[in-house]
Amino acid sequence: EVQLVESGGGLVQPGRSLRLSCAASGFTFDDYAMHWVRQAPGKGLEWVSGISWNSGSIGYADSVKGRFTISRDNAKNSLYLQMNSLRAEDTALYYCAKNPYYGATGYFDYWGQGTLVTVSS
Amino acid sequence: EIVLTQSPGTLSLSPGERATLSCRASQSVSSSYLAWYQQKPGQAPRLLIYGASSRATGIPDRFSGSGSGTDFTLTISRLEPEDFAVYYCQQYGSSPKLTFGGGTKVEIK
Repeated sequence: EVQLVESGGGLVQPGRSLRLSCAASGFTFDDYAMHWVRQAPGKGLEWVSGISWNSGSIGYADSVKGRFTISRDNAKNSLYLQMNSLRAEDTALYYCAKNPYYGATGYFDYWGQGTLVTVSS
Repeated sequence: EIVLTQSPGTLSLSPGERATLSCRASQSVSSSYLAWYQQKPGQAPRLLIYGASSRATGIPDRFSGSGSGTDFTLTISRLEPEDFAVYYCQQYGSSPKLTFGGGTKVEIK
């Protein structure tokens, strides 16, 4: 059974940093691209970033480019999102999502339950 | 960046009725790289349709997707009580920028 478990969310002040993690199990992690998708309270879904199976292809939404860094450790079956210079508008539930392909583009066939990031002073 | 516009924003229907949800793209979505998701309150989204018309594993055949180019449709042939939720479309033809539509809420009339 595919499982994606996010962690690392919490309350953080504007301008500070936070690192999210996603622990994957139930599939061969290094065969697939992975993504982060977020959802602000009461709002729709927003793709944040994606990374190919070997980290060779990476993409970011314009809203986070230059502030967020996605990475993965295939030996640990883990996906990460380093978030710097956080803003109030980054407040959201952050989902880890699996891609059905190895490339960095695609759709999302499995999702975690999300970790909540709140940016507030 | 491809912008996806979903309509209507809210659809009020009764169980047993047919639901037709629209997703329009600001430019052509290559190779019909469009997916649909269902999201219920407090839950993560669930993949329903990919490639515009292919049902994901375990999705009932009352859900169907169609369309190409800039116009796509999700149809639920007969609404079951568990189908009342928010539905999102997503394009993945514009690599590496992926985008979602704003969502359509299907509510009980």
